[in-house]
Amino acid sequence: DAGVIQSPRHEVTEMGQEVTLRCKPISGHNSLFWYRQTMMRGLELLIYFNNNVPIDDSGMPEDRFSAKMPNASFSTLKIQPSEPRDSAVYFCASSLGSYNEQFFGPGTRLTVL
Amino acid sequence: GENVEQHPSTLSVQEGDSAVIKCTYSDSASNYFPWYKQELGKRPQLIIDIRSNVGEKKDQRIAVTLNKTAKHFSLHITETQPEDSAVYFCAAGYNNNDMRFGAGTRLTVKP
Repeated sequence: DAGVIQSPRHEVTEMGQEVTLRCKPISGHNSLFWYRQTMMRGLELLIYFNNNVPIDDSGMPEDRFSAKMPNASFSTLKIQPSEPRDSAVYFCASSLGSYNEQFFGPGTRLTVL
Repeated sequence: GENVEQHPSTLSVQEGDSAVIKCTYSDSASNYFPWYKQELGKRPQLIIDIRSNVGEKKDQRIAVTLNKTAKHFSLHITETQPEDSAVYFCAAGYNNNDMRFGAGTRLTVKP
């Protein structure tokens, strides 16, 4: 199994630009999670989906952030417009249901100049 | 919502010694308590987890204990090795949904 796949692995953009992060969960997993990791705030849950439906987006910091899961094998996290304080590593994770381990992807390191 | 506190933030031990990391949580509804290890520049990886119907779980040199009454759980690593050096995160949640992570403990094992 290829594991959770994220793209791009690194993204450098300028303030005000739109950024789209992509995630492909492990095949057969039906729960998907987006996290943000920074030195200051640690590992934060942004949003999670069960069976492609967003369940809790209370961790999404602002309206500039949005996430979608159009099908079981693909999810996006979009930031528009991006700001320097959005610089972080964004992880996607997936699991089989609510009772099992979350597997993390390799992360996307985002730098907003 | 759930709030997880983790101590210490840094821990340095000599190779072969034991290491203990402690976490407390606030939501009595939480029933799932995983521990993740994250090496520099890598993704978090699950090393052990425990559910609320169990008080202790062990896997080779790693053990986790849970005290539901006091709302705290601990990670114990025995016979530490240099490759155990990493940042360790505890987390708590209802099943694996809406998990909240602790701030992390940077463990250094000195040869």
